[in-house]
Amino acid sequence: GQQVMQIPQYQHVQEGEDFTTYCNSSTTLSNIQWYKQRPGGHPVFLIQLVKSGEVKKQKRLTFQFGEAKKNSSLHITATQTTDVGTYFCAGASGGGADGLTFGKGTHLIIQP
Amino acid sequence: NAGVTQTPKFRVLKTGQSMTLLCAQDMNHEYMYWYRQDPGMGLRLIHYSVGEGTTAKGEVPDGYNVSRLKKQNFLLGLESAAPSQTSVYFCASSYSQPGVKMPQHFGDGTRLSIL
Repeated sequence: GQQVMQIPQYQHVQEGEDFTTYCNSSTTLSNIQWYKQRPGGHPVFLIQLVKSGEVKKQKRLTFQFGEAKKNSSLHITATQTTDVGTYFCAGASGGGADGLTFGKGTHLIIQP
Repeated sequence: NAGVTQTPKFRVLKTGQSMTLLCAQDMNHEYMYWYRQDPGMGLRLIHYSVGEGTTAKGEVPDGYNVSRLKKQNFLLGLESAAPSQTSVYFCASSYSQPGVKMPQHFGDGTRLSIL
């Protein structure tokens, strides 16, 4: 079955430093979604990428979808304490309702 | 607009007891999902539903049953709880669209401990 690997598992940064998490799928994806989960909270949808090579930005967050549609990355510029949480990628193959395959997430810890 | 509401928020059970987790959504979403989240394991799909009266197994369905008698509700049942089912359970819902998986909206979760 489809597997989605996400690295690193944990990332400690000083406030103001940049942060990147990477997501790799064992199969070609139709689209990839990114979610953020604050400590003690629930996953919240951030963005969806559909096209090969697609790049989307949300303020300090930059999301990329690889040319082969098998990998993706999330980059945060100049981290702030509000960025603390776990970032998950979730890969999808086609439509349907058989759920998304979530990566195990990257825990972002920010030291002031 | 409440979104996705899960009840209860916390529960402690003894091994062998049964219980039902309730999920309700008010967004008229066709699809609904149940996930469990364990440390270091991410989110794993238990069961899902594409519409009223229809359910299907996900990645980790053993020990759970589900029902979707109404479009807005998705119930997750544990018939005989086991310590391995200690976890945080999330319900989610989404619209359906051909060829594309739509963003999922999650509830606040149910923290379940089995002693």
